[in-house]
This record gives sequence, C-alpha cells and structure tokens, in this order.
Amino acid sequence: SQKIEQNSEALNIQEGKTATLTCNYTNYSPAYLQWYRQDPGRGPVFLLLIRENEKEKRKERLKVTFDTTLKQSLFHITASQPADSATYLCALHTSGTYKYIFGTGTRLKVLA
Amino acid sequence: NAGVTQTPKFRVLKTGQSMTLLCAQDMNHEYMYWYRQDPGMGLRLIHYSVGEGTTAKGEVPDGYNVSRLKKQNFLLGLESAAPSQTSVYFCASRQTVRGDSPLHFGNGTRLTVT
Repeated sequence: SQKIEQNSEALNIQEGKTATLTCNYTNYSPAYLQWYRQDPGRGPVFLLLIRENEKEKRKERLKVTFDTTLKQSLFHITASQPADSATYLCALHTSGTYKYIFGTGTRLKVLA
Repeated sequence: NAGVTQTPKFRVLKTGQSMTLLCAQDMNHEYMYWYRQDPGMGLRLIHYSVGEGTTAKGEVPDGYNVSRLKKQNFLLGLESAAPSQTSVYFCASRQTVRGDSPLHFGNGTRLTVT
C-alpha cells in the first residue's frame, strides 16, 4: 500500500545547529514533493518544492533533497533559530492527479 | 489580500446536529480542497473541486457533502454529526492542477462533536 512516513517523534536541537527532517515514501512515483510549515492553531504554509528530476533545492537557510531511488526527501534548516520551531509536513504529488498526499509531520523544537 | 478564510474558527456540536463550514478564497484559484487533520493521521482529503460547479470525493468522504456554487467559495456540510468527525478541518486552494502549484491553506475550523 502507499505510505508516506515522517518521524513522528519530536526533534529537539540546539540553536545554531542544522536540523534535518526526513520524508520516506513507498509505492508512489511522485513528480513533485513539497514541504510545508505548520504552527500551532494555524494552517500549513508552503516552503519549498522539488521536482523528481531535481536533486537539491535551496531557499535562504532551507535545503531540500530528493532521492527517487531511495524514495526519500531530506529537509534541512541551517543555523536554526527558536523561531523555526514548528511542525514540518511533506506532501507528494503524482502526475495526472489533482491531489497532494501529506505525511503526518515532524515537530521541530529549537532550543535557545 | 486575505488568502483563504474559514468560518467558523471553533464549533461544538451534539451528535446528530448538522452544520456547514465555509471556505472563501480571494486569489481566483480554480482548485479547492477540504482536509481533516487528526493526531497521528496527518492531513486527509475529504472532498475537492476542480472548478465552479464541480466536486469530487477524496480519501474520507463519508458523512460529508460539499458544494462549489461560486468559484471563490467551497462549503463543507455535515448532515448528521458523529463523534468520529471531531477534528480540525482545513480548506485549501491552488491556482493550477500542476504539481508545482502549492496549496494555500486557511487557519482551520476546530470541531468537537459530543
């Protein structure tokens, strides 16, 4: 069956370190993978998109990698700050569909 | 530019009551979606619409109905609420069907069914 897995345990890191979040999937062939940030009591907000033929994408302190052989995406936040504390969701889109399928999210806490 | 607005923000229903959740977007987006979010389950698609006057079922449509009479509005109805429908409901929209068109979410409606 199709499955998207993100680490359900919270990730705690020290301010200034690099946070790395993982999104693994099975039985999908996504054309696009997106990452969203969700703060408590708010809706998800789009951060970054990567296409199946791209290995890496960067935006300021954020970096996303996409390995279609491993069926995995990594999301990195460099020089992390307490304001980066939130839940991060990955979402897959398969060509020919109207829908995105979301992972359960990983809660990140950056400690000052 | 408000983006996606959901009303109400909170609601408590008794089992068997009905209600309608309203989603409005001011971005002229063609595609609109209703998700529910439960702990440990992630966002699950209830219904979606690919344009005014169209609707389609998502992963978990049972117990819900939707309507898209105007392009900017997408309504989610619960005809007879059940405790299993206690959840946070998010509406989202996007500009195109392409996978590189991100979703824009509202801030959710927290519904409790007792």
